[in-house]
Amino acid sequence: GQQVMQIPQYQHVQEGEDFTTYCNSSTTLSNIQWYKQRPGGHPVFLIQLVKSGEVKKQKRLTFQFGEAKKNSSLHITATQTTDVGTYFCAGQTSQGAQKLVFGQGTRLTINP
Amino acid sequence: GAVVSQHPSRVICKSGTSVKIECRSLDFQATTMFWYRQFPKQSLMLMATSNEGSKATYEQGVEKDKFLINHASLTLSTLTVTSAHPEDSSFYICSALSRTGGIWDIQYFGAGTRLSVL
Repeated sequence: GQQVMQIPQYQHVQEGEDFTTYCNSSTTLSNIQWYKQRPGGHPVFLIQLVKSGEVKKQKRLTFQFGEAKKNSSLHITATQTTDVGTYFCAGQTSQGAQKLVFGQGTRLTINP
Repeated sequence: GAVVSQHPSRVICKSGTSVKIECRSLDFQATTMFWYRQFPKQSLMLMATSNEGSKATYEQGVEKDKFLINHASLTLSTLTVTSAHPEDSSFYICSALSRTGGIWDIQYFGAGTRLSVL
């Protein structure tokens, strides 16, 4: 079945450093979504990417969707302590209707 | 974003009892809701897709008689863990599909229910 791999599993950075998490799907995606889950919390929707090669920015966060629509990345510039949490990518395929297949998540911790 | 309410947030029960978890979309109608299970420090695993007015669709390996899903209205889906055992202890999260007007809709998540079975 469809699999979504996400790396790295963990990332620890100094505050102010950049952070990137990568997502790779075994199949072509119709769209990919990114969520953030704070410790003890629930996933919160960040963004959806639909178009091949799409790049979207939200302040210090930059999201990319690959040309082949099989991979994606989230880059955070100059991390802050509020960025702490686990970032999940989740992919949808046209065959999967509205189901999301989640990556394993990247847990970001930050040294202030 | 859209608001999804999940209740209760935490439940502790004895082995053999049944537990009902509610998921409500507060400011939108959701014909489709999803139920996930999350183990500590792991990703979300989809258990089932809940469709208003019809039977839920369960993922492979999920016992439908164990995890009863009812989606009786456009704003409410319930998950009942029947005859709960310690191995059912987990974090259960629901999500509701919100129509964005585009081709692909967005899932908004409830706050989750932490179930502990003694």
